Amino acid sequence: EVQLVESGGGSVQPGGSLRLSCAASGFTFSSYAMGWVRQAPGKGLEWVSTNTITTSGGSTYYADSVKGRFTISRDSSKKTLYLQMNSLRAEDTAIYYCAKYVSRSGSASDYWGQGTLVTVSS
Amino acid sequence: QPVLTQSSSASASLGSSVKLTCTLSSGHSSYIIAWHQQQPGKAPRYLMKLEGSGSYNKGSGVPDRFSGSSSGADRYLTISNLQSEDEADYYCETWDSSTWVFGGGTKLTVL
Repeated sequence: EVQLVESGGGSVQPGGSLRLSCAASGFTFSSYAMGWVRQAPGKGLEWVSTNTITTSGGSTYYADSVKGRFTISRDSSKKTLYLQMNSLRAEDTAIYYCAKYVSRSGSASDYWGQGTLVTVSS
Repeated sequence: QPVLTQSSSASASLGSSVKLTCTLSSGHSSYIIAWHQQQPGKAPRYLMKLEGSGSYNKGSGVPDRFSGSSSGADRYLTISNLQSEDEADYYCETWDSSTWVFGGGTKLTVL
């Protein structure tokens, strides 16, 4: 059974940093693209970042709203996906979901974690 | 990059059928999409991947009541024999070489 368990959320002041983790199990972690999607309170889903698997190691992609501030990475030995979030803003307040994709290159997200809440406020 | 447009709300009676629409932006009518369901207070759940041909592949455990179809730039999710647990937000998702996009979501009310 595929399981994705996020952790690391919490409250932080504007300008601060947080690192989210997503522990994966039930599938071959190193064979699938992984990503992060967020949902601000009362709003819809917003894609944040994706890490794909390529023959040269991998590629990373970011939404314009987080580019230069957030960094996605993975540790295949720990089967864990990370999202380092720096220079946080109030508008980054959201539930952050970890997602597994259908293939190495991405495509659709076919499994979701339960989410972790990030609150950015002074 | 593609843009997905969804109606903000829909409603249908218990036991009836409903067809939700997701429309791809101009120039992206051939794109594959995915449908996701988000019940109140829960994480999203993958329902299916839907191609422009109308062919679809459902996720594990998704009931037979859920089906997909396509026409031009429109991608449809049909839910038959509506149940109370189908009351949820439904999102479509698509992607290109470097970007993933979600539609704004449709809130389905089961009357």
